[in-house]
Amino acid sequence: EVQLVESGGGLVQPGGSLRLSCAASGLTVNSNYMSWVRQAPGKGLEWVSVIYGGGRTYYADSVKGRFTISRHNSNNTLYLQMNSLRPEDTAVYYCTRVWLIRGWEWFDPWGQGTLVTVSS
Amino acid sequence: SSEVTQDPAVSVALGQTVRITCQGDSLRSIYASWYQQKPGQAPVLVIYDKNNRPSGIPDRFSGSSSGNTASLTITGAQAEDEADYYCCSRDSSGNHHYVFGTGTKVTVL
Repeated sequence: EVQLVESGGGLVQPGGSLRLSCAASGLTVNSNYMSWVRQAPGKGLEWVSVIYGGGRTYYADSVKGRFTISRHNSNNTLYLQMNSLRPEDTAVYYCTRVWLIRGWEWFDPWGQGTLVTVSS
Repeated sequence: SSEVTQDPAVSVALGQTVRITCQGDSLRSIYASWYQQKPGQAPVLVIYDKNNRPSGIPDRFSGSSSGNTASLTITGAQAEDEADYYCCSRDSSGNHHYVFGTGTKVTVL
């Protein structure tokens, strides 16, 4: 069974930094497409970033230049380094595996999420 | 980037059928996936690859697509189906982005 467990959320001041982790079991992070999706309080889902198996990365316009997605093979963990945080980055952050089959894509499974609050 | 819109809320009587729709230009060429989210929980995949269900998802959930609209149908809605539902597709502009629909709150009466 695949499990994704996020950690690293918390309260940070505007302009600060935070690194989220997503520990995976039952799959190899390095050889899968992995993504971060966030959800602001009371709002809908927003895609944040993806890392492909070959290492290419892509970001939503709202976080490009501030967030960096990466992975570490030795501990099978996905990361999201978040810099220059803004109040509008306040959200629950989920990590998820991206399936790509026959040209179609979907997200499954999802971790339980970790809450990031950006406030002074 | 593309936008995908959903009706904010729909209601359905217990045991009846409800269709949730998702509209957007990206859906003309890309199948949507669908996610169920209950309060305080992470999203769960319910439909992928246009009309496939993951293991454990009841067969009362089905998906379809026509033109720029993707649909999720719940045939014989149960109380436990009350949740928020989101569609998602790859952005068709070729920027390797993904876009979620605005979400639909389904209430089972």
